[in-house]
Amino acid sequence: QVQLVQSGAEVKKPGASVKVSCKASGYTFTGYYMHWVRQAPGQGLEWMGWINPNSGGTNYAQKFQGRVTMTRDTSISTAYMELSRLRSDDTAVYYCARDQDPGYYGSGSYNFWGQGTLVTVSS
Amino acid sequence: QSVLTQPPSASGTPGQRVTISCSGSSSNIGSNTVNWYQQLPGTAPKLLIYSNNQRPSGVPDRFSGSKSGTSASLAISGLQSEDEADYYCAAWDDSLNALYVFGTGTKVTVL
Repeated sequence: QVQLVQSGAEVKKPGASVKVSCKASGYTFTGYYMHWVRQAPGQGLEWMGWINPNSGGTNYAQKFQGRVTMTRDTSISTAYMELSRLRSDDTAVYYCARDQDPGYYGSGSYNFWGQGTLVTVSS
Repeated sequence: QSVLTQPPSASGTPGQRVTISCSGSSSNIGSNTVNWYQQLPGTAPKLLIYSNNQRPSGVPDRFSGSKSGTSASLAISGLQSEDEADYYCAAWDDSLNALYVFGTGTKVTVL
């Protein structure tokens, strides 16, 4: 069965960086793009971007360009999302999500999600 | 700030039908398919409807989706207590920097 297991909660100071991991199992990791979505406390969902695990190609939402880096390690079927120059408004739960469509960035129909990683930014 | 607008709340009694609207533009809903997600408190979102009106395996047929022009709707018929959750529409947006946009979200309360 498909599973996405994320790393644990993090507490960071403003200006620091955080790197969240998402370990995939139960399917061919390189066959499906991985997307990242975040949700601030009490707020809605916000798409951050995707990574093509096969090529390493990425596409980031303009809001995060310059601060976000998505990478992957195919040897351990793990995707990473690193966010730098953290601010208090980056406090959120960060999710990895896999589209149900293989081979391209997908239709946005995320049928598998990680459990979420809470990142708290506080001085 | 989301480009897909939903009503902040909706409610109904058990057994009633509830409809949630999602208003967008020609660059998102008008030219791409719409997906709907259900999010129970403290959990990750769950795909409820994809490609405007398709239900993933395991989603009850009480949930249905539709799209017309630059708007979409989610209907819940035969409302049940376990349907109390947040609901989000979503679609790709063909703007300069292609991105995926979620709706503002609707909290459904079962009275």
